[in-house]
Amino acid sequence: DIQMTQSPASLSASLGETVTIECRASEDIYNGLAWYQQKPGKSPQLLIYNANSLHTGVPSRFSGSGSGTQYSLKINSLQSEDVASYFCQQYYNYPPTFGGGTKLELK
Amino acid sequence: EVQLVETGGGLVQPGRSLKLSCVASGFTFNNYWMSWTRQAPGKGLEWVASITNSGGSTYYPDSVKGRFTISRDNAQNTLYLQMNSLRSEDTATYYCTRMYYGSYFDYWGQGVMVTVSS
Repeated sequence: DIQMTQSPASLSASLGETVTIECRASEDIYNGLAWYQQKPGKSPQLLIYNANSLHTGVPSRFSGSGSGTQYSLKINSLQSEDVASYFCQQYYNYPPTFGGGTKLELK
Repeated sequence: EVQLVETGGGLVQPGRSLKLSCVASGFTFNNYWMSWTRQAPGKGLEWVASITNSGGSTYYPDSVKGRFTISRDNAQNTLYLQMNSLRSEDTATYYCTRMYYGSYFDYWGQGVMVTVSS
């Protein structure tokens, strides 16, 4: 199985700040990567697919980038509603696997 | 609007069975793969099962293979997960998820809690 390692596990940032979350795959996943946001007490929601494509309705302050084994999610101008946990997921190979998550809090 | 509504969760003893259901609306159900994904309390996400749009093929991780069965009724826009021989480590919130052709999960239900305990 492909292992997905996210960093950091948690971070604290201020409103308006730019935040970056990293995800590393144990082998090349050829941009087969998605990012999800899970707000407290809610189900996950898709943000990004194919490493850099924005899902319908997702604000443009979210962006994804990367290639090979290294990928990142960037949130520009952090808003209070962005407080959540974020998960990456690879779908290049079965089984689809998730990163351990990054918990984002406000400073 | 895509909606996925799960039912059937609850408290069950180890070794027993439980069947989850998910009613879908807001899209053409028989055009999409569907899946179940779970999240243990305070933990990360784990894919549990997928089924093709026709129901002709199913996929499972080793952790549930032989114990869980995913199925669908396209006439009723309903997805199922039959869970047998349940273990304490199956305790989790189970999400019904629409799966984009076997890849990412583009819509999620609100989740249903399954607790396996004596």
